[in-house]
Amino acid sequence: DAKTTQPTSMDCAEGRAANLPCNHSTISGNEYVYWYRQIHSQGPQYIIHGLKNNETNEMASLIITEDRKSSTLILPHATLRDTAVYYCIVRVRGANSKLTFGKGITLSVRP
Amino acid sequence: KAGVTQTPRYLIKTRGQQVTLSCSPISGHRSVSWYQQTPGQGLQFLFEYFSETQRNKGNFPGRFSGRQFSNSRSEMNVSTLELGDSALYLCASSSSDQPGDGYTFGSGTRLTVV
Repeated sequence: DAKTTQPTSMDCAEGRAANLPCNHSTISGNEYVYWYRQIHSQGPQYIIHGLKNNETNEMASLIITEDRKSSTLILPHATLRDTAVYYCIVRVRGANSKLTFGKGITLSVRP
Repeated sequence: KAGVTQTPRYLIKTRGQQVTLSCSPISGHRSVSWYQQTPGQGLQFLFEYFSETQRNKGNFPGRFSGRQFSNSRSEMNVSTLELGDSALYLCASSSSDQPGDGYTFGSGTRLTVV
């Protein structure tokens, strides 16, 4: 079973920031928070991951609370192409650790 | 750098038949994982191969099997197909020395069982 809970859906206006929350209250000390997204009919795409510090890359920012029980993925300037299902996953780092997907959150970016 | 290549993209099979799907990983990636995606169950892990050995296995019946070749290319096979096997089958390759473990998915094979 997935170890994360996410809202079912949310929307935001194009050009605005999209803040996608995720709860992972049972996260272990050696587990990272990963975010992936899946655009319709494509394979999931890696976005970002972090352990306890906030992270930023060219796609998004990841804010992890100090107790690590929740996190927020931030898309700073959402575009229509960001419409997708976003998955928050917790897992141990390492290529031999599978990805356990939950239902994800469907983000709809409106014009 | 070429991505993960899955063939074929679409496939229609009849109940009772068997099917083989192929996945070519990113060059240098030695781990290949397979996932099944259906509207009802979402994305579910099938199995993972590393250096020609199955390293992880999901909760699927024995009709689902896979293998990996010395060049890291992988195949998965489903025997005695059932209607419920209709799904998008996704392959991902990964490498632990890359950000996010370099987990990269292919575009999938859409299997329809009739």
